[in-house]
Amino acid sequence: IAGITQAPTSQILAAGRRMTLRCTQDMRHNAMYWYRQDLGLGLRLIHYSNTAGTTGKGEVPDGYSVSRANTDDFPLTLASAVPSQTSVYFCASSDSLAGADTQYFGPGTRLTVL
Amino acid sequence: GQNIDQPTEMTATEGAIVQINCTYQTSGFNGLFWYQQHAGEAPTFLSYNVLDGLEEKGRFSSFLSRSKGYSYLLLKELQMKDSASYLCAVRDSNYQLIWGAGTKLIIKP
Repeated sequence: IAGITQAPTSQILAAGRRMTLRCTQDMRHNAMYWYRQDLGLGLRLIHYSNTAGTTGKGEVPDGYSVSRANTDDFPLTLASAVPSQTSVYFCASSDSLAGADTQYFGPGTRLTVL
Repeated sequence: GQNIDQPTEMTATEGAIVQINCTYQTSGFNGLFWYQQHAGEAPTFLSYNVLDGLEEKGRFSSFLSRSKGYSYLLLKELQMKDSASYLCAVRDSNYQLIWGAGTKLIIKP
């Protein structure tokens, strides 16, 4: 069982380019999340999905879009990358939003926008 | 606004005990989580508190006081592998996690 996988592991991207970060989970979790982690700041939620077919905006959604066509996949797209989007991106999933459900994290994608 | 405060960095000695504090101000409260994150790796779940009191899990314990907006993570019998960042997160009224910036714990021999 892989848990959550993310691809690519790292990427250097020219500003203005389009980029999709991939996230796949095999735990059949309903909820999925995308965070960015920057030095000195806590994890910040970009977008989330409570269940397949639905998505919602988090704390820092501007410049990012997501889709949730099925339970397993939750790609994050940067339509036109800017240097301020340089960060480590983590995808996470949980069985539901409530209770003691913990979020399980993927290994992360380190993105540098030049 | 919502705010989670925890110390930026702490140093402790192998075999000792360390307490990492977390204070929070959030719109609603639906549980508090502690995660461990080794450098360059993903956060991993340590503990969950939703009621006041102490939750013990092996060498790690977590305490919550909802009236004070306060939690701590207690690590006993410190080992070198405990060197990591410890993240405090509160689930707010929208069931979203609000994260602290993390406490980097340095263990010295």
